[in-house]
Amino acid sequence: AAGVIQSPRHLIKEKRETATLKCYPISRHDTVYWYQQGPGQDPQFLISFYEKMQSDKGSIPDRFSAQQFSDYHSELNMSSLELGDSALYFCASLQLGNTEAFFGQGTRLTVV
Amino acid sequence: AQKVTQAQTEISVVEKEDVTLDCVYETRDTTYYLFWYKQPPSGELVFLIRRNSFDEQNEISGRYSWNFQKSTSSFNFTITASQVVDSAVYFCALSESGTSYDKVIFGPGTSLSVIP
Repeated sequence: AAGVIQSPRHLIKEKRETATLKCYPISRHDTVYWYQQGPGQDPQFLISFYEKMQSDKGSIPDRFSAQQFSDYHSELNMSSLELGDSALYFCASLQLGNTEAFFGQGTRLTVV
Repeated sequence: AQKVTQAQTEISVVEKEDVTLDCVYETRDTTYYLFWYKQPPSGELVFLIRRNSFDEQNEISGRYSWNFQKSTSSFNFTITASQVVDSAVYFCALSESGTSYDKVIFGPGTSLSVIP
């Protein structure tokens, strides 16, 4: 079975540009989580969605926004990019009630 | 507030040695979930185990075993007969959320190098 798909895998943007990261959860998974992992850091929770509604919010900057669409895929929109936004961005999906969330391979964003 | 400590930043072992990765957590809740994830050099996060706070049974899965002790707030991970493919960063994580994955707090990670 296909896992969580994230696109693109790598992205290079300049400061002040905008980036959109996409996450396609496993089929029938209704919950999506976004995490940010800076270089040498542990993953930090950004935001989560359940059934297309935002369910929780972590340390997500106001410059970032996200949504979950009717087909359950999610997009993380990042504006006015800063050098400090360079990180690995993970998406994870879960079918609520199950015990294991599956992580995608991540999108590595580099801001130059 | 919840917190996860992995005191070992880096560990190197020779192949076939056993190695234990320590994890100590802090939480005020009586219901919580603990996790271990593996992050190989390729970067993806691989789920290893999830344990809820009411289940203190130790678990063994192949060469992996976990020792959960509420009395010491520890959830240690042992790899028996380590292999080169075990080289990765290992994260211990904690969630107080009822849905178990919201606001998962990761520890700083332990980088394990297994030398042939």
